[in-house]
Amino acid sequence: ETGVTQSPTHLIKTRGQQVTLRCSSQSGHNTVSWYQQALGQGPQFIFQYYREEENGRGNFPPRFSGLQFPNYSSELNVNALELDDSALYLCASSRPGTGGDEQYFGPGTRLTVT
Amino acid sequence: GENVEQHPSTLSVQEGDSAVIKCTYSDSASNYFPWYKQELGKRPQLIIDIRSNVGEKKDQRIAVTLNKTAKHFSLHITETQPEDSAVYFCAVLGTSYGKLTFGQGTILTVHP
Repeated sequence: ETGVTQSPTHLIKTRGQQVTLRCSSQSGHNTVSWYQQALGQGPQFIFQYYREEENGRGNFPPRFSGLQFPNYSSELNVNALELDDSALYLCASSRPGTGGDEQYFGPGTRLTVT
Repeated sequence: GENVEQHPSTLSVQEGDSAVIKCTYSDSASNYFPWYKQELGKRPQLIIDIRSNVGEKKDQRIAVTLNKTAKHFSLHITETQPEDSAVYFCAVLGTSYGKLTFGQGTILTVHP
């Protein structure tokens, strides 16, 4: 069984730029959720994708957007980067029939905005 | 929205002692409660979970208890080992679309 993978591992961007982060779900998992984890805090829910559609959204502005592909992999896009966007971005996948509850995390992408 | 409070924020124990971390939540309709362990620079790892139709669940040295009436649940680690040192997060699943709301985390340090 293949675990959740994310790319890139680290990324440095300048304020105002755009970034795309990628996530491959665990084998057999069809739901992907994205979280933002600031230093010293718990992950904050951004949104979840199921069947290639956004299935729910947390308290994040529209400049955070995403996609899910037919193979269940997913992208997180952030436009007009702000300094406060610096964080660890985690994706988590869950398998069919669980209602998206048992979520298994990838290693994350560390984004630094300067 | 869901509000999750986690205590203590730091916990220091001697090897072999027990450790207990507690979380309270606000939405009485919540029905899934996982615990994650996150080592420095690593991904959160699901270590145990409990659903609302169960009061207690054990997996070797780890157990979770749930009190739905009081809206709190706890992680119990017995016979702690130095490799248990990490940040532990509780989480609560919302009533829709798989949103996990996390507690603030507990830094557990196990001294040899």
